Amino acid sequence: SQQGEEDPQALSIQEGENATMNCSYKTSINNLQWYRQNSGRGLVHLILIRSNEREKHSGRLRVTLDTSKKSSSLLITASRAADTASYFCATADNQGGKLIFGQGTELSVKP
Amino acid sequence: GAVVSQHPSRVICKSGTSVKIECRSLDFQATTMFWYRQFPKQSLMLMATSNEGSKATYEQGVEKDKFLINHASLTLSTLTVTSAHPEDSSFYICSARWASGGRYNEQFFGPGTRLTVL
Repeated sequence: SQQGEEDPQALSIQEGENATMNCSYKTSINNLQWYRQNSGRGLVHLILIRSNEREKHSGRLRVTLDTSKKSSSLLITASRAADTASYFCATADNQGGKLIFGQGTELSVKP
Repeated sequence: GAVVSQHPSRVICKSGTSVKIECRSLDFQATTMFWYRQFPKQSLMLMATSNEGSKATYEQGVEKDKFLINHASLTLSTLTVTSAHPEDSSFYICSARWASGGRYNEQFFGPGTRLTVL
């Protein structure tokens, strides 16, 4: 069953602006991951943050994790039109590592 | 490295036929592969976890007799949709996890297979 909820469901911004997406989950996790999916394509892994980490950076991406609130955020700075895609968070449990995906945020970056 | 392929990328079939989808890890060994289904504008729903050499573990609500999974080698898992019906039309995505290392290694996703059942 899906346990992740993301907001907003859709986000439209201008190129150069920052985009922030949030993810909430319900159970204990080992790690939380963010993925990107271009329309009709497979998933691209962006970043993984472990349950004992609070913040992680990768290029223009910044991810935070608050295990007390069971939430995470993905910030994309200086967005580009090529960042237009759907973004999903996914949590891995402590049992077998299977991923449970959030509902996703559809990001549109207008040039 | 860490490339996962799926074949076919698109398939159209008649209602009542069976369709096989292959998932291959091209440059690494994967003891575990996962199969997801994604309906338009929706998220990925985990269908089953496939472990090499053993029976797949299906998620609640997924019919194991309808979605047959075989993981015969460390680089290949297959999903067969048996007696497909229009409601099975969906985007099917597999992922693979490295054989070495801990349980929580990153999963690498295939490009997906678009199934349309007429």
